Amino acid sequence: GAGVSQTPSNKVTEKGKYVELRCDPISGHTALYWYRQSLGQGPEFLIYFQGTGAADDSGLPNDRFFAVRPEGSVSTLKIQRTERGDSAVYLCASSFNPINLNTGELFFGEGSRLTVL
Amino acid sequence: GENVEQHPSTLSVQEGDSAVIKCTYSDSASNYFPWYKQELGKRPQLIIDIRSNVGEKKDQRIAVTLNKTAKHFSLHITETQPEDSAVYFCAATGYSSASKIIFGSGTRLSIRP
Repeated sequence: GAGVSQTPSNKVTEKGKYVELRCDPISGHTALYWYRQSLGQGPEFLIYFQGTGAADDSGLPNDRFFAVRPEGSVSTLKIQRTERGDSAVYLCASSFNPINLNTGELFFGEGSRLTVL
Repeated sequence: GENVEQHPSTLSVQEGDSAVIKCTYSDSASNYFPWYKQELGKRPQLIIDIRSNVGEKKDQRIAVTLNKTAKHFSLHITETQPEDSAVYFCAATGYSSASKIIFGSGTRLSIRP
C-alpha cells in the first residue's frame, strides 16, 4: 500500500477483554515499531521488529502485552485482560532500514484508538 | 536507557516571529536526532533530522542545532506561519539499541495571527 495501515481505527472494549491491533507497513520496510500515545504525551516506545524477530521489546509494559510479525510484514499487537489504563492511541511505524544504516525516517500509521471501559 | 526531555510544553508566538524548542537527552552514545510534527488528529511526520557528526542543519525556515557535549539539541522555526501550528516532538536513538527511537513529551506550538 501507499502508507502504513492500521486497523481498527477505533476499538472500544470492556475491562478484562482481549484485543488485537493490526499494522500493515509500507511494502519493503524491514523495520516495524509499535508506540503508545496518551493525550498530551509523546509516543511511548513499546517494541521494535527487524524482519520477523523482535529486536527490542523493552517498552512492553507487562506480560499482558505481546506482539508478533510472523512473515516480516504485517504485525499484530495483542493485549490480554485489558485495563482502563491501557486506553490510548497505539501507533505503528515502519522504516526501510535501521537508523544506523539509512535515514531512519519513521512512517507512521493513523493509529488505533483503544478505549477500555 | 535513553531519556529525552523537551521544553517548553506549550509555546505561543506572533506570526512572523521565531520559535525555539529545546531538548536534552541522557545517553551520550546517541547519534541520531529527528524532529516530528503532528497536526491535530494526524500522524507524526518527520520534518528534519540531524546526525551527531554535524552541529547544525537547515531546511528553508527550519533548522536544528546539536551540542553533543551538553547533550542538547534545538529546533528553530523562523518567519512562523499559521500552518506551523502543531505539536512538535524531538527524539533520540539509544545507541546500545540502535534503532529504538525515544520521543520527548512534545511542544504545542500556536501561531497568533
